[in-house]
Amino acid sequence: QKEVEQNSGPLSVPEGAIASLNCTYSDRGSQSFFWYRQYSGKSPELIMSIYSNGDKEDGRFTAQLNKASQYVSLLIRDSQPSDSATYLCAVNMENNNDMRFGAGTRLTVKP
Amino acid sequence: EAGVAQSPRYKIIEKRQSVAFWCNPISGHATLYWYQQILGQGPKLLIQFQNNGVVDDSQLPKDRFSAERLKGVDSTLKIQPAKLEDSAVYLCASSKNSNQPQHFGDGTRLSIL
Repeated sequence: QKEVEQNSGPLSVPEGAIASLNCTYSDRGSQSFFWYRQYSGKSPELIMSIYSNGDKEDGRFTAQLNKASQYVSLLIRDSQPSDSATYLCAVNMENNNDMRFGAGTRLTVKP
Repeated sequence: EAGVAQSPRYKIIEKRQSVAFWCNPISGHATLYWYQQILGQGPKLLIQFQNNGVVDDSQLPKDRFSAERLKGVDSTLKIQPAKLEDSAVYLCASSKNSNQPQHFGDGTRLSIL
């Protein structure tokens, strides 16, 4: 089992729709979770961090964490073409206290 | 606040040559990371420093890769000798500590001929 797993996509949604991105992780003791956005040819940039079970909202973005299910997701409301990018899930692993990234999900928002 | 600085932005070398990358983290950030990102994949952690100590280098190919952060601030990553499969973007990131969000530099795109 990979330490952090994401569907590679591509995920395509129409403009204005909700995009749902999912991530599972293997280390049950992990405490810190992050979503990054990476445009083609650019470096990852932080969108959200979440540390507690439940939802965390920031503008059009909502991160959801369920530690019992070892699952973290990112919802993007009112998707815009500018949201088209690869979304990376990152988890701080408790066993060795370092960061592991998923392979990323490529999102395309069609006008 | 100045971001993470990396140099060079691009590097082209022939296989079996050596190359070095430099990173200056955000001021005050104790944790520094080097990642390798191959096209179409997520970043792969090569080495993580906490101040000038190594936290994790389990995925660093130690026969050819080395990294140091002698004074706990800037860091260098070296590859010697380079192989074709080392072609990738090398990303440096820093954070206040290991549980905090990371901030990435622009990366170095390495091409091996």
